[in-house]
Amino acid sequence: EDKVVQSPLSLVVHEGDTVTLNCSYEVTNFRSLLWYKQEKKAPTFLFMLTSSGIEKKSGRLSSILDKKELFSILNITATQTGDSAVYLCAQNTDKLIFGTGTRLQVFP
Amino acid sequence: GAGVSQSPSNKVTEKGKDVELRCDPISGHTALYWYRQSLGQGLEFLIYFQGNSAPDKSGLPSDRFSAERTGGSVSTLTIQRTQQEDSAVYLCASSPSEVGSYEQYFGPGTRLTVT
Repeated sequence: EDKVVQSPLSLVVHEGDTVTLNCSYEVTNFRSLLWYKQEKKAPTFLFMLTSSGIEKKSGRLSSILDKKELFSILNITATQTGDSAVYLCAQNTDKLIFGTGTRLQVFP
Repeated sequence: GAGVSQSPSNKVTEKGKDVELRCDPISGHTALYWYRQSLGQGLEFLIYFQGNSAPDKSGLPSDRFSAERTGGSVSTLTIQRTQQEDSAVYLCASSPSEVGSYEQYFGPGTRLTVT
C-alpha cells in the first residue's frame, strides 16, 4: 500500500527563521506530488511537482522533488506568523494519498 | 461559483440517523473526490468520481457509506445509521480533467458530529 511520510511532525520557530519540511513517498503509479497548506478546514494548494530537480517557487516558498530517492522538500524562508499551519504532502496517483502533515508554528 | 462548495457546513446528528452531505464542484471539473479528516488525523481518501462513475470505492469505511454523482456535477455522500466514529470533517475536492494529472481544489468541508 502506498504510504506518504512527513517529517518533522511539528516545528516551532521564530519569525524570520527558515524551515525545511520533508516528505517521502512510496511509488506505484506515481503521477505527481502535491503540497497543501491547511489552516482551518480546507487545504489550499501550494505546489504540484512532476519532474525531478526542478524547483517550484512562489514568494518565500519553494519545493523540489527527487524521484530517484522518492522524496520532496518544502522550504519556507523568512517565516512569518501567517505561515503557521499544517503543511500536507500528498502523492497523486488516481487519488491523493496524504501524509499526516507537519504542524508549523511561527512565533513573533 | 468560483470554488468548490459544500453543504451543510456543520451537521450534528444523533447516533443511528442517516445524513446526506453535498458537494458542488468547480464548474467544468470532471473529477470529484471525497475525503475524511478525523480529529488530529490526516486526510483519508473515501471515493472519487470520473464523470458520474466511481472506479475506486476502496476507501469507503463500511457499507453504511455510499456516494453518487449525477449530471457530472453535484455529488452526495450518504452515511446511514451514523456511529460516533463517523464524526469528522468531510472534504470534497475537484480537478479539471484526467484523474491524477491535476491539482485538486478543496471545498470548505462539512463538520459532522454524531452524538
